[in-house]
Amino acid sequence: GENVEQHPSTLSVQEGDSAVIKCTYSDSASNYFPWYKQELGKRPQLIIDIRSNVGEKKDQRIAVTLNKTAKHFSLHITETQPEDSAVYFCAARLGFGNEKLTFGTGTRLTIIP
Amino acid sequence: DAMVIQNPRYQVTQFGKPVTLSCSQTLNHNVMYWYQQKSSQAPKLLFHYYDKDFNNEADTPDNFQSRRPNTSFCFLDIRSPGLGDAAMYLCATAGTSANEQFFGPGTRLTVL
Repeated sequence: GENVEQHPSTLSVQEGDSAVIKCTYSDSASNYFPWYKQELGKRPQLIIDIRSNVGEKKDQRIAVTLNKTAKHFSLHITETQPEDSAVYFCAARLGFGNEKLTFGTGTRLTIIP
Repeated sequence: DAMVIQNPRYQVTQFGKPVTLSCSQTLNHNVMYWYQQKSSQAPKLLFHYYDKDFNNEADTPDNFQSRRPNTSFCFLDIRSPGLGDAAMYLCATAGTSANEQFFGPGTRLTVL
């Protein structure tokens, strides 16, 4: 089955700086890679996702890059704000017809005012 | 306009006393999932339904069962809760042609 590794487990950045979280996956058949943000006591919420036919996707201050050859993908948050503080999970889904996501272990991001 | 609803939001049960958690959705999605999430950990998939087809994860204990009587509702039954079953239980849904999983707000289970 798929295995997803996520680094770092904790990350602290000054407000206004950028944050980068990295994930690697094991199965080259994976074709969908979402990122979820989970605030304390709340549900995971999708913030951005990317499919395997795209190398990069951006949505305002958030971007995701995918390197299929190396089997890794990264979340980039620019101009960080205190409300970005949360736990972030990456995930990977095997090819069409597979409904399951394999999650990374999570990164606790703290924005220092 | 809640899309995935979970009830109750907080559930307290006694050791060994059966408990049922419920999930409903207004999205008409084919797939419904149950996850267990413990503090500071990733959601762990227990099982999922594709329409009426039930898919159990290999490491899901027999103590956990599920029912999906119709498209909108799905239930998680814990037959004999142990202290180690205290966790947040998340329900999620997905459409067949869409990738995104929509999560409910979760039910926090406490076992006394």
